[in-house]
Amino acid sequence: GNSVTQMEGPVTLSEEAFLTINCTYTATGYPSLFWYVQYPGEGLQLLLKATKADDKGSNKGFEATYRKETTSFHLEKGSVQVSDSAVYFCALSDMHAGGTSYGKLTFGQGTILTVHP
Amino acid sequence: DAGVTQSPTHLIKTRGQQVTLRCSPKSGHDTVSWYQQALGQGPQFIFQYYEEEERQRGNFPDRFSGHQFPNYSSELNVNALLLGDSALYLCASSSRLVPHEQYFGPGTRLTVT
Repeated sequence: GNSVTQMEGPVTLSEEAFLTINCTYTATGYPSLFWYVQYPGEGLQLLLKATKADDKGSNKGFEATYRKETTSFHLEKGSVQVSDSAVYFCALSDMHAGGTSYGKLTFGQGTILTVHP
Repeated sequence: DAGVTQSPTHLIKTRGQQVTLRCSPKSGHDTVSWYQQALGQGPQFIFQYYEEEERQRGNFPDRFSGHQFPNYSSELNVNALLLGDSALYLCASSSRLVPHEQYFGPGTRLTVT
């Protein structure tokens, strides 16, 4: 079955530091890949996505590239802010034969990011 | 445009009881998925409803059941509650045209004592 593995957390950084959160996956076919963010007490928000190999998703300064050869989708940001403190989830969507998807998501365990001023 | 809404926000139940959680999808969406997020874990897929039928199901027992109404809103029912059912229950909606773009609600925090 599908699975997603994220780097162990938590991650603690100073403001303006460089961020990398590693994510690797196991899946059949060519799933779409996502990063979701969860702020304290809230639901999940889609941060960025990539739907095919070599696609780069980006949003709010965050980037991730779909690497099929290494089955990875690492999240990066060049300069983090205190407001980026949250839990980050890597996820993939199922892919049926013929390239269809119903959108069922498989999530990693999440990485807690804390940014200090 | 209202996003995905869920009710109630919090709920406390006793072991053995039954609970019903509700979800209204984002305007224009016709598909609703439910996820269980235990503390410190990523969300786990419970099931998905489309055209008022369960289309996909994750690895959850039959105690977990659901329903989708003609207006696309949905309910999640859990019978014979166990302590291990304590979690944040998330509803996500999407359109059949763009199924992988899931919009999540704020969740219902269920505590079983």
